[in-house]
Amino acid sequence: DQQVKQNSPSLSVQEGRISILNCDYTNSMFDYFLWYKKYPAEGPTFLISISSIKDKNEDGRFTVFLNKSAKHLSLHIVPSQPGDSAVYFCAASPLYGNKLVFGAGTILRVKS
Amino acid sequence: DAGVIQSPRHEVTEMGQEVTLRCKPISGHDYLFWYRQTMMRGLELLIYFNNNVPIDDSGMPEDRFSAKMPNASFSTLKIQPSEPRDSAVYFCASSPGVSHGELFFGEGSRLTVL
Repeated sequence: DQQVKQNSPSLSVQEGRISILNCDYTNSMFDYFLWYKKYPAEGPTFLISISSIKDKNEDGRFTVFLNKSAKHLSLHIVPSQPGDSAVYFCAASPLYGNKLVFGAGTILRVKS
Repeated sequence: DAGVIQSPRHEVTEMGQEVTLRCKPISGHDYLFWYRQTMMRGLELLIYFNNNVPIDDSGMPEDRFSAKMPNASFSTLKIQPSEPRDSAVYFCASSPGVSHGELFFGEGSRLTVL
């Protein structure tokens, strides 16, 4: 049973347009959510996070939205750039502890 | 500063052989994690340590898998005997000792079991 689900295995977007990556979770004990980005042959790197007390967090071109009632979060990238092409992992952790649960990942391709 | 260092980067072995993956966490980080990445299941947490003590090994698939952390700067993940279904990329990550701390991943060890 996957507690964090990324239902879209891949997404293709034109350069300059918005990329929207989605993530759903089932465990109501999760209270902190993160997005990681992974290039081929490299380890995942932290991108952006959001606490459950917020519904939006913005960092440059990246914005994460959290809808607690729907147990859904999304990552928006505006404008998308070819260098954003990577695998994006959604992750969640409970109130206490450092145990991150990851989704299966979404491959983003930004076409120039 | 050096990041998380994993070795080997690539390992090809035959079914039944023992495999040992190694990890050096970032100095000063209190938490160490072993994850496995597969196409079907994404990143799965296998085990994690806090101050060299295993805290949660519920993700370890079966008794063929074992992990140790003899000191703060070294950890191993061992598979004995290995099977083809163990083929995956294994990541080690470390984190400072704060809740919701960001994980810092190594570059991974790609294991192929023939």
